[in-house]
Amino acid sequence: DVKVTQSSRYLVKRTGEKVFLECVQDMDHENMFWYRQDPGLGLRLIYFSYDVKMKEKGDIPEGYSVSREKKERFSLILESASTNQTSMYLCASSLFPGGANQPQHFGDGTRLSIL
Amino acid sequence: AQKITQTQPGMFVQEKEAVTLDCTYDTSDPSYGLFWYKQPSSGEMIFLIYQGSYDQQNATEGRYSLNFQKARKSANLVISASQLGDSAMYFCAMREFDNNNDMRFGAGTRLTVKP
Repeated sequence: DVKVTQSSRYLVKRTGEKVFLECVQDMDHENMFWYRQDPGLGLRLIYFSYDVKMKEKGDIPEGYSVSREKKERFSLILESASTNQTSMYLCASSLFPGGANQPQHFGDGTRLSIL
Repeated sequence: AQKITQTQPGMFVQEKEAVTLDCTYDTSDPSYGLFWYKQPSSGEMIFLIYQGSYDQQNATEGRYSLNFQKARKSANLVISASQLGDSAMYFCAMREFDNNNDMRFGAGTRLTVKP
């Protein structure tokens, strides 16, 4: 089974801090994704990466950056955390090309609170 | 642009009964895939079932089946013989074949199974 591991289940940070959310997958997947989940809005794509050192903006990239130095690891960075970034963050991975029928495999999520 | 609509923010069902969760979608791409995920209160996203736009038969996976009506652009999830453990958020998602990296999610439906 695919295992996607997010470094923290719960995280509390202060406004203005630089925050790192880490994600590691063990199935040699090319694609990795970061989503933000808010009530009533579903999952919204922040960034995705289809290869090492490659990244593409999703729907809501403002205030975030990402890093993919190794194939198995995809990091989400909040450059200067703000209270409106309090949310649930989900990391996912999938095969590429693999076919459009490939599901994305998700981590357990990180509930991030910015005070 | 892709759009996924789940019109039921919350649903209740009696244990052992069947329930249908609605999902409609909008795309101009003739080739696409539809996915359903379950998210228990613990947060992880669990892949349930997949339907391709060219599949002739409705997908089934155990107690889950997908009522796919292509002309109406709907892909409703049917859960038969509901169990208490089915209580969770359910998300419908779509990926267009021409946009292999981009999966779009609906806002979700919270299902509560009553004993």
